[in-house]
Amino acid sequence: EVQLVQSGGGLVQPGGSLRLSCTASGFTFGSYLMSWVRQAPGRGLEWVANIKQDGSDKYYADFAEGRFTISRDNARNSLYLEMTSLRVEDTAVYYCAKVAMAAAYNWFDPWGQGTLVIVSS
Amino acid sequence: DIQLTQSPSSLSASVGGRVTITCRASQNIRDFLNWYQQKPGKAPKLLIFAASSLQSGVPSRFSGSGSGTEFTLTISSLQPEDFATYYCHQRWTFGQGTKVEV
Repeated sequence: EVQLVQSGGGLVQPGGSLRLSCTASGFTFGSYLMSWVRQAPGRGLEWVANIKQDGSDKYYADFAEGRFTISRDNARNSLYLEMTSLRVEDTAVYYCAKVAMAAAYNWFDPWGQGTLVIVSS
Repeated sequence: DIQLTQSPSSLSASVGGRVTITCRASQNIRDFLNWYQQKPGKAPKLLIFAASSLQSGVPSRFSGSGSGTEFTLTISSLQPEDFATYYCHQRWTFGQGTKVEV
């Protein structure tokens, strides 16, 4: 079964840091682009960052640029999101997702179970 | 950047009824459009990719159509488990969601 299991998250003060993890199973992790997507309470989905299969290229949403770092360890089948200088507005459930691609098409499947990050004093 | 606008934002429907959700893109995206279902407290689930391709395991009452700038997700006969929020998606952009309620 293709599966993504997330860990990390929790309560952090504004300006603080947090690291999220996502462990993959059931597929060849190193062969896929991976992403983080977040969802603020009661709001819609918002893409955060991507990382290419070998980790050589990384792409970020504007709000994440310079504060968040996406990384991966293919030997451990793991994806990470290091978040620094956290703001109250970063409060959200963060999902990891495998990016399925076919020609120029891409979609997210599957998704991790999500992990809640609360930024509050 | 491409914007995706869903309509309506919410709708009320009955079991057995037909539901149609529209997603409009701010520019031509050919058929690079996907649909997801999200239930409260759960991760999104892929329903449709490439505008009209049904993901494996998804019931055939779900269908997608459209190309260019206008797309539709249709649920032909709404079931109790279909009450959820639906999102369209293209590349790294999502629509704002449509909540399907009783």
